[in-house]
Amino acid sequence: SQQGEEDPQALSIQEGENATMNCSYKTSINNLQWYRQNSGRGLVHLILIRSNEREKHSGRLRVTLDTSKKSSSLLITASRAADTASYFCATDRYSGGGADGLTFGKGTHLIIQP
Amino acid sequence: GAGVSQSPSNKVTEKGKDVELRCDPISGHTALYWYRQSLGQGLEFLIYFQGNSAPDKSGLPSDRFSAERTGGSVSTLTIQRTQQEDSAVYLCASSTRVGQGGYEQYFGPGTRLTVT
Repeated sequence: SQQGEEDPQALSIQEGENATMNCSYKTSINNLQWYRQNSGRGLVHLILIRSNEREKHSGRLRVTLDTSKKSSSLLITASRAADTASYFCATDRYSGGGADGLTFGKGTHLIIQP
Repeated sequence: GAGVSQSPSNKVTEKGKDVELRCDPISGHTALYWYRQSLGQGLEFLIYFQGNSAPDKSGLPSDRFSAERTGGSVSTLTIQRTQQEDSAVYLCASSTRVGQGGYEQYFGPGTRLTVT
């Protein structure tokens, strides 16, 4: 079963604009990760945020985490054509943590229009 | 360095035949995972190996699915008596376990399995 649910399912914006994707989850977590998938590079890890963190940045990416609302957001600033991809949030399969597999949401398909 | 590799990249098989999918994880990564991705079910966890411990098989959808990891490195996912609903992209990932602090997984390019 899916732990995370991304919103929106699809998003189309103009190059240069910011893109925001949201993820909601159901059970308590130790950390939450975002991955990107496109045909050229497969599934790639973007960023990990721990449950005791509220915000994290990596280049043009900004991730927030609100454990009280069981939600996370991924913001991509100054979007580029190369950002066209599907974006997934993922949480540990078990709330006890550990490296025992991830549960992925269904993803947001982002299209950057030139 | 080399990433996770998988073979074959594409596999077409007839219903009822057995298939083997191979995964070469990143050297030194102790944890190895199999997932599958299909339009209807999204990304699903299948099985997890950590070092020499017994694998976590809780995600395998039926007893037709099995996997092994030899020498703590290469893994093979076997699907017996394939069914059309087994058609999907099978993804392998590896990671360096860092306890409960969180970890990133490195994914291979996948094997696209089509059962006709």
